[in-house]
Amino acid sequence: EAGVAQSPRYKIIEKRQSVAFWCNPISGHATLYWYQQILGQGPKLLIQFQNNGVVDDSQLPKDRFSAERLKGVDSTLKIQPAKLEDSAVYLCASSHLTDKYFGAGTRLSVL
Amino acid sequence: SQQGEEDPQALSIQEGENATMNCSYKTSINNLQWYRQNSGRGLVHLILIRSNEREKHSGRLRVTLDTSKKSSSLLITASRAADTASYFCATDSLYNTDKLIFGTGTRLQVFP
Repeated sequence: EAGVAQSPRYKIIEKRQSVAFWCNPISGHATLYWYQQILGQGPKLLIQFQNNGVVDDSQLPKDRFSAERLKGVDSTLKIQPAKLEDSAVYLCASSHLTDKYFGAGTRLSVL
Repeated sequence: SQQGEEDPQALSIQEGENATMNCSYKTSINNLQWYRQNSGRGLVHLILIRSNEREKHSGRLRVTLDTSKKSSSLLITASRAADTASYFCATDSLYNTDKLIFGTGTRLQVFP
C-alpha cells in the first residue's frame, strides 16, 4: 500500500513570498489533515478535511494560510505571504477510521 | 496550543536498557496515542490506549494511563539503536476524536 505522498520535500523562500505544498493521501482515505511542526515542538493541527469539506480549521491562520481539497482526494496548502515564523515542517496525514498515516513532510525555511 | 507536556525532553541510554517517557495532558480525553518520529520523517503510530484502560502492551512497548492524574507513560524495554527517535504522545478530545493534540516530545538516543 502506497503511503501519504508529499511534495516538495524541502522549500526555501524569502519572507513575503508565496509557497504551496501538495499532498496525496492513501487511496480511499476520506479524512485528510495538515499539521505544522515547528522545530522542537509537536505537530499542531492546521486543518482537517472530510472528503472535500472542512471539519476543523480553527488553528489555521486564515489571513495568510489557505488549503483546498477540491475533488476530495489530493490537497494543497498555501502560504501567502510567508513570515519568518512559518519556518516549520508541514505534515500531511490521512486516516481511515481511527488509524492515521503521516507523510514525510515538507520542510519550509523562510529567510 | 500543546495539550501535552513530555518528560524528559531528551533521554540517552545504552542498548539493552529500558527507556521511560512520561506525558501529562490538560483536558479529558477518549484516547491517548503514542507516535514515533525518526529524524526527517513523518510520524508512525505506535499504540493507542483508551480512557477506560490502565495499561497496554505491544511487543517491547508498555503504555500506562492514569486519567485521574492526566498522565501516561511509555516504556520501551530492551532498547535498540533503531529505537533512536522522537516520541510524542497525542490526545484527542471528547468532542472530536479525530483531532489529535500532540505533546512536545521526548528525544531518545540509544547508543550501541
